[in-house]
Amino acid sequence: AQSVSQHNHHVILSEAASLELGCNYSYGGTVNLFWYVQYPGQHLQLLLKYFSGDPLVKGIKGFEAEFIKSKFSFNLRKPSVQWSDTAEYFCAVSSMEYGNKLVFGAGTILRVKS
Amino acid sequence: NAGVTQTPKFQVLKTGQSMTLQCAQDMNHEYMSWYRQDPGMGLRLIHYSVGAGITDQGEVPNGYNVSRSTTEDFPLRLLSAAPSQTSVYFCASRARGGDRNTIYFGEGSWLTVV
Repeated sequence: AQSVSQHNHHVILSEAASLELGCNYSYGGTVNLFWYVQYPGQHLQLLLKYFSGDPLVKGIKGFEAEFIKSKFSFNLRKPSVQWSDTAEYFCAVSSMEYGNKLVFGAGTILRVKS
Repeated sequence: NAGVTQTPKFQVLKTGQSMTLQCAQDMNHEYMSWYRQDPGMGLRLIHYSVGAGITDQGEVPNGYNVSRSTTEDFPLRLLSAAPSQTSVYFCASRARGGDRNTIYFGEGSWLTVV
C-alpha cells in the first residue's frame, strides 16, 4: 500500500537556524506532492505543491521543497526559521494510480525558540 | 466565498451516542472527503465522495457513515460513539478539473468521547 514517511516527529530549532524536514513516499508511479502546515489552533494550509516541471518548488513564507525522484523524496527546507514558523508540518502524496486519494505523513512538530 | 465550513467546532459525546458532523462547500467541488487527525498518525482518510450520490471508504471507515445527496454537503455520522473516536476531524474538498490537486480544508471539529 502507498505510504508517506516523515523522519522526525519533533524538531526544535533556534530562530535563524536552517530547517530541513524529510519526507519519503512509497509510490512507484506519477505522483503529486504537497506540504501542508497547521499553526496552533488553526486548520491545515497548503505551503507548496509539486505536479511536474522544475523539481525545486517555492512556496509561501520562504519555504521550498525539492522533489528527488530517484530517492522518492520531497524534503521541505527554509534557510532561516522564525518563531512564527512554530507549527505542525505534513507531507502528503497523491497518485492517479491510486484514485488521486491524498495520503498524509504522520506530521512533524516544529518548535522555534526565540 | 466561505470555502469549506464544518460544524460543530467542538463536541463532547458520551459513549454510545450518535451525532453528525456537518460539512458544506460553496465552490462546486466534486470531490469531498473526511479525515481524522490523531497525534503521531497524521491525517487518515475516513470516507470520500467523487460526486453527488457516490461515496466510498477510506483507510479507517469503521464506525462512520457518510452520504452525499447534494454537491455541497457531505455529513459524517458517528453511529455509536466510542472513546477511540476522540479526534480532530477535517472535511476537505477539491475540484475535478482545473486545479484539481489543491485540497481545501475546513477548520476542523474537535470531538471528545467520554
